[in-house]
Amino acid sequence: GESVGLHLPTLSVQEGDNSIINCAYSNSASDYFIWYKQESGKGPQFIIDIRSNMDKRQGQRVTVLLNKTVKHLSLQIAATQPGDSAVYFCAEDGGAGTALIFGKGTTLSVSS
Amino acid sequence: NAGVTQTPKFRILKIGQSMTLQCTQDMNHNYMYWYRQDPGMGLKLIYYSVGAGITDKGEVPNGYNVSRSTTEDFPLRLELAAPSQTSVYFCASSRLGEDTQYFGPGTRLTVL
Repeated sequence: GESVGLHLPTLSVQEGDNSIINCAYSNSASDYFIWYKQESGKGPQFIIDIRSNMDKRQGQRVTVLLNKTVKHLSLQIAATQPGDSAVYFCAEDGGAGTALIFGKGTTLSVSS
Repeated sequence: NAGVTQTPKFRILKIGQSMTLQCTQDMNHNYMYWYRQDPGMGLKLIYYSVGAGITDKGEVPNGYNVSRSTTEDFPLRLELAAPSQTSVYFCASSRLGEDTQYFGPGTRLTVL
């Protein structure tokens, strides 16, 4: 089975709302996590990452939270815009030092 | 920098045909990867390479071959195309010592 998964396959929000996309992982030894954004017809684009020695990291309009106790990762997008509409994937390092394990993705739809 | 480039963008193959998917990166990254993405699913690792002359299998290597003769190029070869290989293929690269992977735009392959 997959090591990384997402709680909801789809999320619909209104423009200006805050969005929260969740991800659960099963490998407690994973020490690195990434969020990717994939727009239709394009490759995944790096958004933000976090290491296991942190529980929060902020970027521009995005925040990643890591709860190692319950093995949960979330991506928060502030003031969601129509351009944020995409599929969002979380990924964790596969333990081999080079391979990432991806979840199935959450499709975020932003309506104006 | 162009980043990671892939050719072709689209291709239709007949069962049993062969083809090579090209991937080039101009960031002097040591690590390169090939993933496939099936509809509604996350990315699965096919092969990866930690440097010129070194390749290794990922999660789903059957039916594929790779080579890494230069740092820049990492072609993926399909010898006997099968309908199960219909997918979108993404190439990615990362810098030595860093986990963040940068993706190309993808090749959409259909095998009929």
